[in-house]
Amino acid sequence: SQQGEEDPQALSIQEGENATMNCSYKTSINNLQWYRQNSGRGLVHLILIRSNEREKHSGRLRVTLDTSKKSSSLLITASRAADTASYFCATAPGGGNKLTFGTGTQLKVEL
Amino acid sequence: DVKVTQSSRYLVKRTGEKVFLECVQDMDHENMFWYRQDPGLGLRLIYFSYDVKMKEKGDIPEGYSVSREKKERFSLILESASTNQTSMYLCASTSPPGDPRERGYTFGSGTRLTVV
Repeated sequence: SQQGEEDPQALSIQEGENATMNCSYKTSINNLQWYRQNSGRGLVHLILIRSNEREKHSGRLRVTLDTSKKSSSLLITASRAADTASYFCATAPGGGNKLTFGTGTQLKVEL
Repeated sequence: DVKVTQSSRYLVKRTGEKVFLECVQDMDHENMFWYRQDPGLGLRLIYFSYDVKMKEKGDIPEGYSVSREKKERFSLILESASTNQTSMYLCASTSPPGDPRERGYTFGSGTRLTVV
């Protein structure tokens, strides 16, 4: 069953614009993670935000977490063509580390 | 650079064959996972292991088995491959929850398996 659901399913923007992706989940969590997947490759871990954190930054990435709404957002600022990929949120229901992934947001950054 | 290595990027097998997918990690991680990824279905957990010789079923274990004889190696076995097992298979590893090394999963590059 899907724990995380990303929105939108697909997003197309111009280089230099910001991209925002959202994730909703169902049960309580210890942390929420975001991953990127380039076409046909494995997933790459981007950022982990713990349940007691509200916002976290890593380079051009900004992640927020609202545990009362069971939602998170990933913002990529000043996007580049190299950011074109699928982005997944993942959570571990019950606080373990058996991650459940959403179906992802496909981001396309055009020149 | 830390790594999870999957033995094959592409694999073509015949229906009924026994298939071995190998995964090796060099990070001394206790936990290892096998997922399959299909369009529209996302990643689904097949099996995972939290220690040598330990294994637990994930969400879709039917038709699969696993082996973890050494900490660094986690093998996925398709006992009798079928066409509905054509998929992208992803291996991952991580340290346990609360471990100071916890940094999320490290994935391999994936094995695209086609069963004909």
